[in-house]
Amino acid sequence: DGGITQSPKYLFRKEGQNVTLSCEQNLNHDAMYWYRQDPGQGLRLIYYSQIVNDFQKGDIAEGYSVSREKKESFPLTVTSAQKNPTAFYLCASRTSGGETQYFGPGTRLLVL
Amino acid sequence: AQSVTQLDSHVSVSEGTPVLLRCNYSSSYSPSLFWYVQHPNKGLQLLLKYTSAATLVKGINGFEAEFKKSETSFHLTKPSAHMSDAAEYFCVVSRLSGGYQKVTFGTGTKLQVIP
Repeated sequence: DGGITQSPKYLFRKEGQNVTLSCEQNLNHDAMYWYRQDPGQGLRLIYYSQIVNDFQKGDIAEGYSVSREKKESFPLTVTSAQKNPTAFYLCASRTSGGETQYFGPGTRLLVL
Repeated sequence: AQSVTQLDSHVSVSEGTPVLLRCNYSSSYSPSLFWYVQHPNKGLQLLLKYTSAATLVKGINGFEAEFKKSETSFHLTKPSAHMSDAAEYFCVVSRLSGGYQKVTFGTGTKLQVIP
């Protein structure tokens, strides 16, 4: 089955800790995205990557970092600088010529 | 510049009655428009998309939407609501330029279906 997987489904972070959220796709898509979802605010773009070894900041990149070493993988690290990390995180991907984004099942991050 | 406004944060309908979820957009260019559905603690699933072909777009699960340029609207409808339609729905406007995509999500409309 082709698709996007995110792991873990739930993640707990302690104060001062960095945590990494996984996003993998086997759709052969070039572009990948990370969004943060808070109640009543829709989705906000954290980072995106058009191609391997390239990524750009979105609207709320502060306190987050990413890498794109492989086409199929786009991990997101939530650093200790992100003071309010509790949210639902969604990864998406699309082909380079298309506009439809396909979403993973999400990771819910909670702070202990 | 582009923006999208979902006019209702919550909509409640009885099972078997029509559904109308309203979306207005603003764009300096001819946009592509999408509706996604999200069930609790799940990812977003594409319902339908408009990309400058037919103005009446049919999607999955009996949903459809009509692109009205004069009204800058892209409302989502379904003739008869089913309990499984209870979810949150997002209207999205997109522009693709030089391979880069600018996408803006609405704030969502939660649909409640009453048995």
